[in-house]
Amino acid sequence: TQLLEQSPQFLSIQEGENLTVYCNSSSVFSSLQWYRQEPGEGPVLLVTVVTGGEVKKLKRLTFQFGDARKDSSLHITAAQPGDTGLYLCAGDTSGTYKYIFGTGTRLKVLA
Amino acid sequence: DARVTQTPRHKVTEMGQEVTMRCQPILGHNTVFWYRQTMMQGLELLAYFRNRAPLDDSGMPKDRFSAEMPDATLATLKIQPSEPRDSAVYFCASGDGRSYEQYFGPGTRLTVT
Repeated sequence: TQLLEQSPQFLSIQEGENLTVYCNSSSVFSSLQWYRQEPGEGPVLLVTVVTGGEVKKLKRLTFQFGDARKDSSLHITAAQPGDTGLYLCAGDTSGTYKYIFGTGTRLKVLA
Repeated sequence: DARVTQTPRHKVTEMGQEVTMRCQPILGHNTVFWYRQTMMQGLELLAYFRNRAPLDDSGMPKDRFSAEMPDATLATLKIQPSEPRDSAVYFCASGDGRSYEQYFGPGTRLTVT
């Protein structure tokens, strides 16, 4: 049973465009993380959100945790080819750092 | 530059053979995670250790998989006997146990023929 659904699954956009990736669940999470993974490498943590309604910014990336702590979004402003990769959300329902990963969004930014 | 290291990076083996994958967590980290990634299932948690003790291995097929931490600098994941459906990339990650951060290794790509 997949607890975390991400959408879209695939996204191909031109450099300079904006995009939003969604992570949804019916479960409540004590914390939620976003990762980026490039081919042949392990996922790299981008951010952790723990408070409902929380918004965090990392340069051109904006992360939001839903008020009910069941969903999250990642918004990228003015995407660049270096943003290309697999974006994964991961949620912890038990507060024990045991994270369940989402289905992933493959982003390709064309120059 | 502290990193999680995994060996081997690639492994091709025949069905029925034993496979051992090794992970060296970041020095000072006391939590270790083993994950498996496939196109169909995505990234799945197999096992989770804290202070070398297994806290959760519910994601691991018990009949053929085993995970251990012989010491604080080495974690192993063993498959015996291996099957074609075990083909995947296996990741190890470590954390300091005080924050939410996990640091992933580069993975071991396993192919079982």
